[in-house]
Amino acid sequence: RKEVEQDPGPFNVPEGATVAFNCTYSNSASQSFFWYRQDCRKEPKLLMSVYSSGNEDGRFTAQLNRASQYISLLIRDSKLSDSATYLCVVRGGSQGNLIFGKGTKLSVKP
Amino acid sequence: DVKVTQSSRYLVKRTGEKVFLECVQDMDHENMFWYRQDPGLGLRLIYFSYDVKMKEKGDIPEGYSVSREKKERFSLILESASTNQTSMYLCASSYGTFNQPQHFGDGTRLSIL
Repeated sequence: RKEVEQDPGPFNVPEGATVAFNCTYSNSASQSFFWYRQDCRKEPKLLMSVYSSGNEDGRFTAQLNRASQYISLLIRDSKLSDSATYLCVVRGGSQGNLIFGKGTKLSVKP
Repeated sequence: DVKVTQSSRYLVKRTGEKVFLECVQDMDHENMFWYRQDPGLGLRLIYFSYDVKMKEKGDIPEGYSVSREKKERFSLILESASTNQTSMYLCASSYGTFNQPQHFGDGTRLSIL
């Protein structure tokens, strides 16, 4: 099993839609989880941390399911500007570094 | 806001050249990282450093070395550039423990001819 696995997409959704991404991780001892956003040919930028109790930031909601070892990102009322690749990030690896998923591509259409 | 600055956005070098990529952060972060990103392979960690003069190998250190003489600066060195090192190189920094999120520079798109 890969350390961090995401559906590469693309997810093509209309404006205003609700879309959800899941990400699975292999290390049950992982403690830190993040979602990053990466625009085409740009650097990854932190979108939000994922807390055990789940957390919300405006239209974005992140959830953690430790039993099933996955995290999720829900985007409500999608905007054109949400089009990007979303990277799932888990603290893992032999040295406890952050492990980045390969990303899920989202395309929001008018 | 955290500022991580990479010396070049685009760089073209020749096979066999010694290449230096520089990264500077202005937030007094302890930890600094070098990644490369390739289509279909995602971000892969080359080297990281958790303190001045300290360095640790990441997942793909072969063909690279690093230098951290000052806390704010972390350099990636390609000892003898090869075409398979053509890639997007991303520098990142974070403070405290490795639990903290990393902040990235704009990236350097390096082409080796």
